Amino acid sequence: DAKTTQPPSMDCAEGRAANLPCNHSTISGNEYVYWYRQIHSQGPQYIIHGLKNNETNEMASLIITEDRKSSTLILPHATLRDTAVYYCIVRLLTGGGNKLTFGTGTQLKVEL
Amino acid sequence: DTGVSQDPRHKITKRGQNVTFRCDPISEHNRLYWYRQTLGQGPEFLTYFQNEAQLEKSRLLSDRFSAERPKGSFSTLEIQRTEQGDSAMYLCASSLSTSGVYYYEQYFGPGTRLTVT
Repeated sequence: DAKTTQPPSMDCAEGRAANLPCNHSTISGNEYVYWYRQIHSQGPQYIIHGLKNNETNEMASLIITEDRKSSTLILPHATLRDTAVYYCIVRLLTGGGNKLTFGTGTQLKVEL
Repeated sequence: DTGVSQDPRHKITKRGQNVTFRCDPISEHNRLYWYRQTLGQGPEFLTYFQNEAQLEKSRLLSDRFSAERPKGSFSTLEIQRTEQGDSAMYLCASSLSTSGVYYYEQYFGPGTRLTVT
């Protein structure tokens, strides 16, 4: 799986959009970008994934650059409950690559 | 959907003792994964099962570690002769895989925190 680079920490005011960047310059054509988050003392939680088109679900939006070398996870209206470590992972959707390879992620702190 | 459950949530043991953790996946999920997480790090893959077959093991899984999923439902992870370096959070996850190749998202349990004294 391709390696990802994320900032170690970010702060965001409650109610504002949180934009979490991820670099994955060595991503291959058939690898997807996945985002998980881990709230303190809980297991990781799936957020969203995408290949090359922008994706949106009830939790977040995922913007992937045209060259697919970076992406941004957007939490449109961050709340205190969104304080967590956010992991960006690239992996295959089919074929090999069963496991998730986590980095150290970005610690997002949402404050009043 | 009751989610992935793990038992116990916390375990304190003395060095040299054996411990066993249990994971109950989401009922219709045919894949089950074990990860280990130490403080300040992301989870690290240990092993995974498709139904009852253990298909991959990380080199992190030393011969003191053994995992089983006897009937393709719940799984156990046993650590023999525990060492202080085994202190970590042990996470279980499950997912659905169709035709053995398409991977849906993984759902994680709350983890078992092991402390070896």
